[in-house]
Amino acid sequence: GAVVSQHPSRVICKSGTSVKIECRSLDFQATTMFWYRQFPKQSLMLMATSNEGSKATYEQGVEKDKFLINHASLTLSTLTVTSAHPEDSSFYICRSGGGGTDTQYFGPGTRLTVL
Amino acid sequence: QKEVEQNSGPLSVPEGAIASLNCTYSDRGSQSFFWYRQYSGKSPELIMSIYSNGDKEDGRFTAQLNKASQYVSLLIRDSQPSDSATYLCAVNPEERVIIFGKGTRLHILP
Repeated sequence: GAVVSQHPSRVICKSGTSVKIECRSLDFQATTMFWYRQFPKQSLMLMATSNEGSKATYEQGVEKDKFLINHASLTLSTLTVTSAHPEDSSFYICRSGGGGTDTQYFGPGTRLTVL
Repeated sequence: QKEVEQNSGPLSVPEGAIASLNCTYSDRGSQSFFWYRQYSGKSPELIMSIYSNGDKEDGRFTAQLNKASQYVSLLIRDSQPSDSATYLCAVNPEERVIIFGKGTRLHILP
């Protein structure tokens, strides 16, 4: 089946650092990528939706200047956490969209720890 | 507001028994329904999708859909310890939108 990859799988950084997370669709074109955040023992929280070639749509309460999303091609979407702080430490997961609903695959996730 | 409701659990089931997970949704026009499994520290994995009323079986898993009652369930037969995970119900109320429930934690007792 279709595969979505994420890189890096784990990152530890100092407070104030910006961190870029890449999400790639490996054998299909994902016109849409969804970005989620999940804190320990909490449910998935949709942060934003990125569409290839256009601006991302952010959910209420998510700062678009802090979480920069770029969907430059049909196979790559990136999420940059700017000036990360300890409260940004979380599990970030992307999910593909576009095409049939059966192409809705999650990436393996990126665990971000901000010291 | 479109919602998907699940009991958060934990649901404890003896090994070998049937685990029954339930989900209700608010948007009557929803057409596609999904069950994901998420192990601790991992991302969700799609295990079942169902689109029409009735049952759909895949191995030990059976998804059941009742659109009139706006209810979808997942049955796991012969439960194994490896089935212990959080199960997310998801509904596709409109094109390119999927709403996730908060998940039910399932614990299979050895």
